[in-house]
Amino acid sequence: AQTIHQWPVAEIKAVGSPLSLGCTIKGKSSPNLYWYWQATGGTLQQLFYSITVGQVESVVQLNLSASRPKDDQFILSTEKLLLSHSGFYLCAWSPTGEDSDYTFGSGTRLLVI
Amino acid sequence: GEKVEQHQSTLSVREGDSAVINCTYTDTASSYFPWYKQEAGKSLHFVIDIRSNVDRKQSQRLTVLLDKKAKRFSLHITATQPEDSAIYFCAASVGDNSKLIWGLGTSLVVNP
Repeated sequence: AQTIHQWPVAEIKAVGSPLSLGCTIKGKSSPNLYWYWQATGGTLQQLFYSITVGQVESVVQLNLSASRPKDDQFILSTEKLLLSHSGFYLCAWSPTGEDSDYTFGSGTRLLVI
Repeated sequence: GEKVEQHQSTLSVREGDSAVINCTYTDTASSYFPWYKQEAGKSLHFVIDIRSNVDRKQSQRLTVLLDKKAKRFSLHITATQPEDSAIYFCAASVGDNSKLIWGLGTSLVVNP
């Protein structure tokens, strides 16, 4: 069975500090991977997606970047956090080559102060 | 660009009543329409989907209807229970590689 794991579960960070959020998918080869952001009580905003290792497409950057260093790993990061980065970050995966539902991780809740 | 519109931001029903959440989409090529549920403070999880080769799909108390002509799809929940209270998101496929366009979410409140 496939599993998706996001880390950390929650973070409180200072404005201007760096950030790195991780996502790992086990049990599925070459998945499509996605990063989403959700403001508190807000809508889903897709940030990035990746269909293969080393290839990441930006949808909305929000002064964030993403990388896929391994087939099963997706990283979201920034050098300098802004207050507006606060929110709920969700990683998701879907099978390649077919329209299918996404499976979401449990998310990382970020508070920037 | 392509859009998915979810017209109700909130929906309040009494326990036991039915709830209907409506979505419309713009991409005539959309062929896959999933629904997700987000309980308070939690992540999203998949609840039901429908593909464009059918116009109705049922899973227990959930039914999805698809009207391709009107580019409209809806989630019907019968015999609602308090645990159905959540935000429901609809989505539609666009292009290839499993890209989804999302609605803004409907907050369903089931009152005891």
